[in-house]
Parts: sequence; C-alpha cells; structure tokens
Amino acid sequence: LAKTTQPISMDSYEGQEVNITCSHNNIATNDYITWYQQFPSQGPRFIIQGYKTKVTNEVASLFIPADRKSSTLSLPRVSLSDTAVYYCLVGGDNAGNMLTFGGGTRLMVKP
Amino acid sequence: DAGVIQSPRHEVTEMGQEVTLRCKPISGHDYLFWYRQTMMRGLELLIYFNNNVPIDDSGMPEDRFSAKMPNASFSTLKIQPSEPRDSAVYFCASSGTNIAKNIQYFGAGTRLSVL
Repeated sequence: LAKTTQPISMDSYEGQEVNITCSHNNIATNDYITWYQQFPSQGPRFIIQGYKTKVTNEVASLFIPADRKSSTLSLPRVSLSDTAVYYCLVGGDNAGNMLTFGGGTRLMVKP
Repeated sequence: DAGVIQSPRHEVTEMGQEVTLRCKPISGHDYLFWYRQTMMRGLELLIYFNNNVPIDDSGMPEDRFSAKMPNASFSTLKIQPSEPRDSAVYFCASSGTNIAKNIQYFGAGTRLSVL
C-alpha cells in the first residue's frame, strides 16, 4: 500500500510560487499521483493528476522525478483564495489504495 | 451535470435518534464513496460501492452505521442509534469506471451534530 508523506503546513505570500512536495517511496508501477484541494466547509476538489514527468493545467503543475518516489505540486503566483488543504494520493489498479487521503498540507497565503 | 448532491446539508439530532444521509452521484459514475471528516481524524473512508455493490466497508466504525445503494443514482448512510461522537462532516463522492486514474467528485457534505 503506497503511503504518502506531506508537510503538515506551509505559509506563503500573495504572488509567490508555492511548491508542496509529497513523498511516496513505495509507489507501485501502476500507481497514479493525484492532488486534491479542500477549502473550509467544502469537499475536496481535484486539482491535477500525473504518472511521470510533468503535467500542467490551468491551475497547477505537477512535477514527478524519474524514480516517482516523490511529486511536487506547484502553484504559480498564489492568491489569498489558494488558502486551503492540499492532499496527495497515490493509487493504481487496486481500488482500495486510492482512497487514503492522509492529513494533507494546510497552505496559508498571507497578504 | 449538477455534480454530486448530498442532503441534508446540515443535520442536528439528539443522541439515540436515527440519522439518514442521502447522496445522488454523478450520472454514469460506477463508484460511490462515503467519507467522514473530523478535526481529530481527518478524512476517513467509510465504505465504497462499485456498480451498486459494497466493495469495502472496513472503514465503517461499528454496527450502528449502515450504507445502501439501491440503484445507480442513490445511496444512503444511516446511523442508528446516533451518538455525540458521530458528529462530523460526511462526504459522498463518485468516480467513473477506471478507479486507478479516476478522479473523485465530492458533494458539499452533510454537517451532522448529535447532541
């Protein structure tokens, strides 16, 4: 079962780039890496997903090194509205191991 | 699509009462998940269904909790009898066929307070 480790919290300022790294040393060949964002009083919301190298969408970028034992979520030029909890999930063919959210990283963006 | 719909949004009840939470998944999604979130324990998976069949209920805390999915468009999570320690936000989520890659879409949640 791939387990993930993320920092508990991070602080940043508006306009800065934020990088949140997730460690998943036991990632399996079939596992994908998925990040979610959760605002207070809302359910988690999908941000980005990747398997290897780099993925970019309108919200964030996901960097995955060749060994895939970690991944980094990059949020460009954060704003106050990016204050949220960010979860990293790893899972593959076994449906059961895609569903452990862990503690997430609480990002606080300051003015 | 309207997304995953949960009802009620808020529920306040007294200890010992039965509580029923409802969820309508996104049309066409094969998987449905029930989660519970508290400050102390974070986001915990309670049970999930595939094609209306319960696959893993190992997260259900005890026999007081039960979940059903009578059809592809509706699921319930029932707590009977409820206890104060059941107070939490309960989320329902759904996803499509390939769970390995698939994205879970969450509802807005039901905030349950058991007095």
